[in-house]
Amino acid sequence: SQQGEEDPQALSIQEGENATMNCSYKTSINNLQWYRQNSGRGLVHLILIRSNEREKHSGRLRVTLDTSKKSSSLLITASRAADTASYFCATVFMNRDDKIIFGKGTRLHILP
Amino acid sequence: EAQVTQNPRYLITVTGKKLTVTCSQNMNHEYMSWYRQDPGLGLRQIYYSMNVEVTDKGDVPEGYKVSRKEKRNFPLILESPSPNQTSLYFCASTHQATKYNEQFFGPGTRLTVL
Repeated sequence: SQQGEEDPQALSIQEGENATMNCSYKTSINNLQWYRQNSGRGLVHLILIRSNEREKHSGRLRVTLDTSKKSSSLLITASRAADTASYFCATVFMNRDDKIIFGKGTRLHILP
Repeated sequence: EAQVTQNPRYLITVTGKKLTVTCSQNMNHEYMSWYRQDPGLGLRQIYYSMNVEVTDKGDVPEGYKVSRKEKRNFPLILESPSPNQTSLYFCASTHQATKYNEQFFGPGTRLTVL
């Protein structure tokens, strides 16, 4: 499968701590995106990183991309209860038509 | 308000009874797609459309049909639903020019096939 794979599948941390989740993929990509999904709802786009970028920031989010290892990480700093959600990476592969492939997600739970 | 809408939000039906889930967007997006989400499997793309009258299969198209007669609408059709199509379905859209960028998702349709 060319699907992105998030790691860990589930993560529980205390409010205020940093949360890190990872995404690995198998073939060359155009870009990689991270989405958040609150329980049973539609996905919301968080951040996009292109294949020629190594790091991007957006508020409390930091995304890194290592194309040599075919992996990306999403760091959420100073976590809040509202960050409790599932997080998905989505990859757009080079030369793969216009398909966008989502991973299985990481379930993040922020403990009060 | 820019949005993607889906109807119905919840549907319980029986095997073999044809159904249609509608999807509409008001952002003038060319690219639209359907996903299904199942526990442990993440989101899988069913069909996508790059513009009016242009549709292509995603990773799990079997048992589904789509049409794109108008830019704003992209209905998902289950001609003969089966229990293995019980799932949470999402429609999404984005601009063709930026089709590899942010996708906007609808609220989801939870389908149960008995």
